[in-house]
Amino acid sequence: NAGVMQNPRHLVRRRGQEARLRCSPMKGHSHVYWYRQLPEEGLKFMVYLQKENIIDESGMPKERFSAEFPKEGPSILRIQQVVRGDSAAYFCASSGLAKNIQYFGAGTRLSVL
Amino acid sequence: TQLLEQSPQFLSIQEGENLTVYCNSSSVFSSLQWYRQEPGEGPVLLVTVVTGGEVKKLKRLTFQFGDARKDSSLHITAAQPGDTGLYLCAGANSPGGADGLTFGKGTHLIIQP
Repeated sequence: NAGVMQNPRHLVRRRGQEARLRCSPMKGHSHVYWYRQLPEEGLKFMVYLQKENIIDESGMPKERFSAEFPKEGPSILRIQQVVRGDSAAYFCASSGLAKNIQYFGAGTRLSVL
Repeated sequence: TQLLEQSPQFLSIQEGENLTVYCNSSSVFSSLQWYRQEPGEGPVLLVTVVTGGEVKKLKRLTFQFGDARKDSSLHITAAQPGDTGLYLCAGANSPGGADGLTFGKGTHLIIQP
């Protein structure tokens, strides 16, 4: 009964490096969402994807951030040239036929040194 | 920009007491979801409310969606230490569709034995 799987759980990067966060949705789910949670802040929506398509990226920073959900394999959130302000918990969620019900993974904690 | 305000921000009570936490907005949402999040983990879905005035019960937890679909409350009866956690409300805009959720900052609940 696999839920939403995210890896790695913890990621440490130095300033200027790239961070790649992976998310495998729940079995049968074709909608994937990425959120960011900063300390003492609520979760903020970043991007919504279906297979091979970005549906809504209104919450994604315009530079350095990109996301994909290929036909095969997990969804990837990519952060290029990371800065200290990118340190946060990044959560992936997925939904299926009940599109407005989202199930979350355990998150990836990114620390930028 | 839609906002969800949760109150109180922090609540610490004794085991066996009752409590209510609130989630308010000036915007209308097509549905509202409550999650519980524990440290180092992702949010776990508790309930989704869709219809204005709807009341849902989950054991000792009672969730209510306001008539105007702008606010919600969570009432816990006879709280137990296992209820400790961060309670998040999240609103969806698209009826039956998929979109990014708008989250409140949460209520940190501590139940003392």
